[in-house]
Amino acid sequence: GNSVTQMEGPVTLSEEAFLTINCTYTATGYPSLFWYVQYPGEGLQLLLKATKADDKGSNKGFEATYRKETTSFHLEKGSVQVSDSAVYFCALGGSQGNLIFGKGTKLSVKP
Amino acid sequence: DAGVIQSPRHEVTEMGQEVTLRCKPISGHNSLFWYRQTMMRGLELLIYFNNNVPIDDSGMPEDRFSAKMPNASFSTLKIQPSEPRDSAVYFCATTLWGSGANVLTFGAGSRLTVL
Repeated sequence: GNSVTQMEGPVTLSEEAFLTINCTYTATGYPSLFWYVQYPGEGLQLLLKATKADDKGSNKGFEATYRKETTSFHLEKGSVQVSDSAVYFCALGGSQGNLIFGKGTKLSVKP
Repeated sequence: DAGVIQSPRHEVTEMGQEVTLRCKPISGHNSLFWYRQTMMRGLELLIYFNNNVPIDDSGMPEDRFSAKMPNASFSTLKIQPSEPRDSAVYFCATTLWGSGANVLTFGAGSRLTVL
């Protein structure tokens, strides 16, 4: 079945460091791919998405490219801020509108 | 738009008690999902509805869990009787199914603690 695997956390970085959170997927066909972010005490929010191969999603300085050849959708940001501290979820779109989530990666950014 | 509204935000109850969690979807959204989040298992899809009809309840852990969507504006997730292992954050999420985007909007969650 369809599934998402993302790197285990937690990830701790200093402010202005480069961020990469790896995500790979297994799926039939070419589903949409997503990154959601969860700040402490809140629900998940859509961060970015890509709907087809080679698409690049971007938002708030974060980027991810839909790589069909490596079945990956890695999240990157060139310079993280303390305010980026959160849990990040990679997700794959199902055929009925549902989402299949990875286990989440907790990011802590230190000043 | 007020977003997806969940209540209660926090619930503490004793084992054996009935728990009812509520969700009001975004107006116009026709798909509704209930997820459970725990440290051990991450985000699990429990059940989802399209146009008020349950489509897949294979994620519901056992018969103690039930969910209803009597109309397009309201859904409930009920646990009866509750057990300590049900302690988790329960999220409701909604979307416009058929729009092709799979973009879910989540509520703030209901944090359940069963003592």
